[in-house]
Amino acid sequence: KAGVTQTPRYLIKTRGQQVTLSCSPISGHRSVSWYQQTPGQGLQFLFEYFSETQRNKGNFPGRFSGRQFSNSRSEMNVSTLELGDSALYLCASSWVGLAGVETQYFGPGTRLLVL
Amino acid sequence: DAKTTQPNSMESNEEEPVHLPCNHSTISGTDYIHWYRQLPSQGPEYVIHGLTSNVNNRMASLAIAEDRKSSTLILHRATLRDAAVYYCILITGFQKLVFGTGTRLLVSP
Repeated sequence: KAGVTQTPRYLIKTRGQQVTLSCSPISGHRSVSWYQQTPGQGLQFLFEYFSETQRNKGNFPGRFSGRQFSNSRSEMNVSTLELGDSALYLCASSWVGLAGVETQYFGPGTRLLVL
Repeated sequence: DAKTTQPNSMESNEEEPVHLPCNHSTISGTDYIHWYRQLPSQGPEYVIHGLTSNVNNRMASLAIAEDRKSSTLILHRATLRDAAVYYCILITGFQKLVFGTGTRLLVSP
């Protein structure tokens, strides 16, 4: 099976702009989660989508939003970019194994630089 | 979110076993213990998980203390490719993953 893919891999934007990142999960996975990774804050959970519905949400401002399509592909959007939004954005898809335990499979990430 | 405590860094030589500890004294009865690792310039990668019994897979072994307040990830023969940050995470059901700072494993040839 193909792994989780994320596009684009690298992105440079300026303050005030908005950006959309895309994630294609592993075939058959219905849950997609997004994470932000920075040197200062580490890996932080943004939100999770399951069957086109947001199931979990982290502590990020409303400028960060996401959605999931019927084919499980997901996008996240960041509006009014700030310098502090520069980070590696990771997407993970998951399936539920035995006893309802989820295993997450991560993509390579999109590295966003805000100037 | 249940918390875990891990050493900031550990060192090992290639071909030697590595024991990565994790303390989780406030673990609840429904928390599964998961381990992920993140190699340089890559997204995190699932390693192993367990509930009460020790677990083995092709990547590693997980030894869980009888009181479940601590666990140890065991890499039987470290390779240079095992150099990564290892995260110990407690999860119940469909909770989100909460990553701590993890343990940076350095492997010397």
